[in-house]
Amino acid sequence: EAQVTQNPRYLITVTGKKLTVTCSQNMNHEYMSWYRQDPGLGLRQIYYSMNVEVTDKGDVPEGYKVSRKEKRNFPLILESPSPNQTSLYFCASSWTVDQPQHFGDGTRLSIL
Amino acid sequence: GESVGLHLPTLSVQEGDNSIINCAYSNSASDYFIWYKQESGKGPQFIIDIRSNMDKRQGQRVTVLLNKTVKHLSLQIAATQPGDSAVYFCAEFYTGRRALTFGSGTRLQVQP
Repeated sequence: EAQVTQNPRYLITVTGKKLTVTCSQNMNHEYMSWYRQDPGLGLRQIYYSMNVEVTDKGDVPEGYKVSRKEKRNFPLILESPSPNQTSLYFCASSWTVDQPQHFGDGTRLSIL
Repeated sequence: GESVGLHLPTLSVQEGDNSIINCAYSNSASDYFIWYKQESGKGPQFIIDIRSNMDKRQGQRVTVLLNKTVKHLSLQIAATQPGDSAVYFCAEFYTGRRALTFGSGTRLQVQP
């Protein structure tokens, strides 16, 4: 089954404690992206990757890092999480940026 | 389930009626558009897309209309069913941005 898998689905943690949200896709897609979703603000892009070892900032990259060492994986790293990063996060993938993106089921992060 | 928006515009329809969800996009240079459906607790799910060289495209029970003159996109759902209840997002893309820009969404409620 074609899917984008995110882990964990839920996480409550404290300010400053580094965390990683993993994302894996099994469709051999080249384009991958991370979004955060906040009430009233819709989906905003954090980082994207056009292919392996190629990443770039989206609209709200501050406080986040990503890496793309393999085509299937695109982890999101919060080196020093802060409460304003409390949000619902989605990973997505597609063949190219101008084709339909497949989304994971989301990760709810709460930073206390 | 996960809250995707506390103050989204809401469209309420009776089961069996046709639904029309509208979206105003921002960039006249946008050349690709997508509609997504998001159910509570899930990631956005692709419904239908359209490129700027078309003004209409049909899928199963859904039709997307594009009016480039007024930068307007609409999603028509025929014979709306309770399972269509969700939040619907439009997204636009233009070459050079390398990312989709999402609208804030409309909540569709189907009354039995």
